[in-house]
Amino acid sequence: EDKVVQSPLSLVVHEGDTVTLNCSYEVTNFRSLLWYKQEKKAPTFLFMLTSSGIEKKSGRLSSILDKKELFSILNITATQTGDSAIYLCAVVRDTGNQFYFGTGTSLTVIP
Amino acid sequence: EPEVTQTPSHQVTQMGQEVILRCVPISNHLYFYWYRQILGQKVEFLVSFYNNEISEKSEIFDDQFSVERPDGSNFTLKIRSTKLEDSAMYFCASSEGPRLGGFFGSGTQLSVL
Repeated sequence: EDKVVQSPLSLVVHEGDTVTLNCSYEVTNFRSLLWYKQEKKAPTFLFMLTSSGIEKKSGRLSSILDKKELFSILNITATQTGDSAIYLCAVVRDTGNQFYFGTGTSLTVIP
Repeated sequence: EPEVTQTPSHQVTQMGQEVILRCVPISNHLYFYWYRQILGQKVEFLVSFYNNEISEKSEIFDDQFSVERPDGSNFTLKIRSTKLEDSAMYFCASSEGPRLGGFFGSGTQLSVL
C-alpha cells in the first residue's frame, strides 16, 4: 500500500528559529513530491520536486528531494508567526492523477 | 490572481438528502479534482476529471458520488444520498496539466446531521 508519512506531527518554535519538516514516502511509480501550506482552509502550493538533489527555494523556504532514500525535507529559516500552519506533503505517481497526502505537520511559531 | 472558487462555504444537510457542491476552476486549467478532508484526518483524493470525463477515482468515490461540468466554467460534485460519514471539508482543485501542483479552492464544509 502506498504511504506518505510526515514528521513531526506537530512542532512549536519561537520566532527566528529554523525548522526542518520531513516527508518520507513509499509509492510505486513515483513522479513528484509536492509541499503545501494549509492555514485556515485551502492548501496553497509551495513546491513541486521531481529530481533528486536539486534544492527549490522561495524566500525563507526551501526543499529538497532524495529519491534514493525516499524522502524530502522542507526547511523554514528565521520563522515568523505567519508561518504557523499545517504543512502537507503529497506524492503523485507517474501514472494517474491521484495525489497521496500525508497527515501533515502542524507548525506553531510563537513570538 | 486567479483562484478556484467554491460554493457554498458551508452546507448543512439531513442524512439521506442529496447535495451539490459547486466549483469554478481557474479558467485556463484543464484538469479538475475533488478531495475531502475529514476533521483531523489527511486530505483524501476523490476524483480527477479531464476532457469531460473522469480520468481517475478513488475507492471513496462510489456510486453515491458523481461529478459534472455542466457548462464551460462550473465543476460540480453531487452526493446522492448523504451519510453521516460524508461530513468533511470538500476541496476542489484545478491544474493546467496532469500531475502538477494544483490550486485549491477554500473548500465547502459539509455537515450531515
